[in-house]
Amino acid sequence: EVQLVESGGGLVQPGGSLRLSCAASGFNFNSYWMHWVRQAPGKGLVWVSRINSDGSTTTYADSVKGRFTISRDNAKNTLYLEMNSLRAEDTAVYYCASQGLAPGDYWGQGTLVTVSS
Amino acid sequence: DIQMTQSPSAMSASVGDRVTITCRASQGISNYLAWFQQKPGKVPKRLIYAASSLQSGVPSRFSGSGSGTEFTLTISSLQPEDFATYYCLQHNSYPPTFGPGTKVDIK
Repeated sequence: EVQLVESGGGLVQPGGSLRLSCAASGFNFNSYWMHWVRQAPGKGLVWVSRINSDGSTTTYADSVKGRFTISRDNAKNTLYLEMNSLRAEDTAVYYCASQGLAPGDYWGQGTLVTVSS
Repeated sequence: DIQMTQSPSAMSASVGDRVTITCRASQGISNYLAWFQQKPGKVPKRLIYAASSLQSGVPSRFSGSGSGTEFTLTISSLQPEDFATYYCLQHNSYPPTFGPGTKVDIK
């Protein structure tokens, strides 16, 4: 059974940092591109970042470029999102998602990040 | 960036109705279009990929069509479990962009 399990969310003050993790199991993680997608409370889905299968290529939404870093450890079957200089508008549920035929084959359950003083 | 629009933004429908949702791209995206269903408090679920390919395990009442800039998601006979918000996603070019969503609720 495919599982993606996010962790690392929580309450952080503006300007602070968090690192999200996404532990993958049940599929060949090191063959898949992976994405982070977020959803602010009551709002729609917004793509954040993606990384290719070996970690050599990353892409970011303009809204997070320079502040967020996506990475992966294929030996640990884990995807990461390092988030720095957090702002109130980064408050959202963050999902990791795999890409096989298209983005969003499988999704994690999400982890809530709240940026507030 | 490619902008995605959806219409309608919300609709009320009855069980058994045929429902059509339209997604338009600001420029051509070939068939790099997926559809997702999200129920309140739940994780998005992909229904359609490559504009018209049905995801494994998704009921056949869901279908997708279109290419280029205009796409549709059709539910042939709406079921109680289909009341949800539906999003399209283009992944022809980066950044991938979601449509704003279409909320389907009970009439």
